Amino acid sequence: GAVVSQHPSRVICKSGTSVKIECRSLDFQATTMFWYRQFPKQSLMLMATSNEGSKATYEQGVEKDKFLINHASLTLSTLTVTSAHPEDSSFYICSAWPLGGGTRNTIYFGEGSWLTVV
Amino acid sequence: GQNIDQPTEMTATEGAIVQINCTYQTSGFNGLFWYQQHAGEAPTFLSYNVLDGLEEKGRFSSFLSRSKGYSYLLLKELQMKDSASYLCAVRDDKNTGFQKLVFGTGTRLLVSP
Repeated sequence: GAVVSQHPSRVICKSGTSVKIECRSLDFQATTMFWYRQFPKQSLMLMATSNEGSKATYEQGVEKDKFLINHASLTLSTLTVTSAHPEDSSFYICSAWPLGGGTRNTIYFGEGSWLTVV
Repeated sequence: GQNIDQPTEMTATEGAIVQINCTYQTSGFNGLFWYQQHAGEAPTFLSYNVLDGLEEKGRFSSFLSRSKGYSYLLLKELQMKDSASYLCAVRDDKNTGFQKLVFGTGTRLLVSP
């Protein structure tokens, strides 16, 4: 079946540095990918919608200058956490709809990335 | 705005039946999903409802009432491995060009012997 690969699965970075997380659809094309953040014991919070070839659409309250999203191709979206701080430590996960929509309930999730800022 | 609410925690015993409720108020609606999630892992798809009524799949059933903005997930013959978080999510189609999946607050289910 379709696979979405997310990398890295775990990353530790120093406060003030930037870290990039990649989300790749391995066997399908996706014009739209979504980025979520999840804190411990909480649900997934939609951060932004990544659109291939255009600017990402951010949810209310998400800083677009801090969470840079690039969707350079139909199979790759990246999330860069800039000037990371300890409060940015979280589980980040991406998802993708296949180009053409697939079946009505088709959405694929990456494995998620644990970010720890020290 | 968007509000998708679930009970925070529920407990049940092995072999029992549990119903997890989800109420939603969203800008648009084009289907409701239920997912299971274990800590630190990606969500696993359980069910999808777009029309009113009950969808049954093995030990899991999901119900939707669009007029009431309400859904529930029913788990039968509970097993210890069912201890996990259960997330309902609404596909919001208000914005043309793309649809987004917005998750509810999530319910942590603990199944005890």
